[in-house]
Amino acid sequence: DAGVIQSPRHEVTEMGQEVTLRCKPISGHNSLFWYRQTMMRGLELLIYFNNNVPIDDSGMPEDRFSAKMPNASFSTLKIQPSEPRDSAVYFCASSLSGTHQPQHFGDGTRLSIL
Amino acid sequence: QQQVKQSPQSLIVQKGGISIINCAYENTAFDYFPWYQQFPGKGPALLIAIRPDVSEKKEGRFTISFNKSAKQFSLHIMDSQPGDSATYFCAASSNTGGFKTIFGAGTRLFVKA
Repeated sequence: DAGVIQSPRHEVTEMGQEVTLRCKPISGHNSLFWYRQTMMRGLELLIYFNNNVPIDDSGMPEDRFSAKMPNASFSTLKIQPSEPRDSAVYFCASSLSGTHQPQHFGDGTRLSIL
Repeated sequence: QQQVKQSPQSLIVQKGGISIINCAYENTAFDYFPWYQQFPGKGPALLIAIRPDVSEKKEGRFTISFNKSAKQFSLHIMDSQPGDSATYFCAASSNTGGFKTIFGAGTRLFVKA
């Protein structure tokens, strides 16, 4: 079975540019999570969708960040405009249902904002 | 109140030894406690998880001990192997108060051959 697929694996862009990260969850999983991992702040939950609906976006750092899940097999995390402090590894994870099921993580997108 | 405190930050263990990682939480609404293992360049992968109605769960060489009254839980890796060298994260989840999953800061384990 294919796991969670994230693209791109690496992204390097200049400050002020729009960045779009993509995620394809495991088929049949109803919940999708976006995380950010940095050395300073560790692994932080940004937003959590259930059945394509955002349930908790309290972790989204500011209005420059937005996430969508137009259907059960695709989600995007967008940063506009990007800033150097957004540099991190961004992970997408999915679970069968909710936060009390194993979350299956993708391999992440390493984002560098110059 | 939403924090999960994990220790130690790093750990070096001899092959065959026992690795012990500890976590503590404050919010009594947390009711699901997973442990994840992460290798460099990869996403975290679930290792083992426990709910607060049991005090211990064992899967192979991995055991979670849970102390509800102390609000602490720990991961024990028996007969540690070099292949266990990775970063380990504890986490806590709640279905109330915002459906949060909070991760600990991580423990970098190195098992010496």
